Amino acid sequence: GDSVTQMEGPVTLSEEAFLTINCTYTATGYPSLFWYVQYPGEGLQLLLKATKADDKGSNKGFEATYRKETTSFHLEKGSVQVSDSAVYFCALRKVGSYQLTFGKGTKLSVIP
Amino acid sequence: SQTIHQWPATLVQPVGSPLSLECTVEGTSNPNLYWYRQAAGRGLQLLFYSVGIGQISSEVPQNLSASRPQDRQFILSSKKLLLSDSGFYLCAWSRKQGGTGNTIYFGEGSWLTVV
Repeated sequence: GDSVTQMEGPVTLSEEAFLTINCTYTATGYPSLFWYVQYPGEGLQLLLKATKADDKGSNKGFEATYRKETTSFHLEKGSVQVSDSAVYFCALRKVGSYQLTFGKGTKLSVIP
Repeated sequence: SQTIHQWPATLVQPVGSPLSLECTVEGTSNPNLYWYRQAAGRGLQLLFYSVGIGQISSEVPQNLSASRPQDRQFILSSKKLLLSDSGFYLCAWSRKQGGTGNTIYFGEGSWLTVV
């Protein structure tokens, strides 16, 4: 079946450090890929998405590129801030499916 | 703009008691609606989805049920809660047009603790 694998956390970084959160997926066809963010005590917010190979999603300084050849959608940010501390979820949605398949989430803590 | 609201935000219920979580979407019509659960250490799991009034599909068999009495209202219920029902419940919606590239938008979530 479809699956999403994220790097396990927690990840702790100093402010202004470079962030990479790895995400790989297993699915047939060409799913759409998403990154969601969950701040403490809140629901999920869409961070960015990509719907086809080589698309780059970007938002709030975060970027991720849909790599079909490596089945990956790694999240990156050049300089993290304390306010980026949250749990980040990678997800996919296949053609014809109503379901989002999520990774287990990666907790990021950014310290001053 | 579209908004999604769910309530109550926090709930503590004894084992065997009933449950009702409500969700409404504003600013759109005929959305797809979803209930997800986020349990500790288990990630996010789709429980139910609905493509229209009275149309409910269940992804996971359990003692929960869902109903959609109105176009933009989605209700999650249980007649008798179990300890294992504890978790963070998220209502969500998406447009129908555009296929699976459409974003699924989530509500603020409801924390349920069964004691």
